[in-house]
Amino acid sequence: DAGVTQSPTHLIKTRGQHVTLRCSPISGHKSVSWYQQVLGQGPQFIFQYYEKEERGRGNFPDRFSARQFPNYSSELNVNALLLGDSALYLCASSLRTGSYNEQFFGPGTRLTVL
Amino acid sequence: DQQVKQNSPSLSVQEGRISILNCDYTNSMFDYFLWYKKYPAEGPTFLISISSIKDKNEDGRFTVFLNKSAKHLSLHIVPSQPGDSAVYFCAASGGTDSWGKLQFGAGTQVVVTP
Repeated sequence: DAGVTQSPTHLIKTRGQHVTLRCSPISGHKSVSWYQQVLGQGPQFIFQYYEKEERGRGNFPDRFSARQFPNYSSELNVNALLLGDSALYLCASSLRTGSYNEQFFGPGTRLTVL
Repeated sequence: DQQVKQNSPSLSVQEGRISILNCDYTNSMFDYFLWYKKYPAEGPTFLISISSIKDKNEDGRFTVFLNKSAKHLSLHIVPSQPGDSAVYFCAASGGTDSWGKLQFGAGTQVVVTP
């Protein structure tokens, strides 16, 4: 079975540009979460979507947005990129929302902002 | 506000011996805890989890212990193998974020030597 897939693998952008990252969850999983991991830290929660609705949002500015499609895939959008947005962006899927619910991660998208 | 802490950034252990990784948390509302392993250029891989109603969970070479009164959990790997060399993250969810947002520690780099 295919795991969580993310595209692209790597991305280089310049300050002020916009970026869209994509994620396909494990088949049958209806919840997708996005995390940002900067070097030396653990992943930080950005968003969770379940059944196409936003269930939670982390402490990130409004430049970050996301959506989930009817096939449960998801996009993360970041506007007006800053140097500090350079990070590994991870997508995780799970069967449902809520606690007691393992999240399975994709390989991530490495974003570099110059 | 770092609610999940892994105070040991690195751990070196001999092949065949026990690896013990520690994690502390501050939010008493957390009710579900997970351990993930991460290799470079890959996303975190789910290892094992424990709910707050238990104090121990085993899966093969991996055992997680939870001490709720001390707000402390640990992961034991026995016996350690060279393939266990990776960064290990402790994560927690629960409380007001009942929709399953994970909060991660900063990780512990484990190196298993021959």
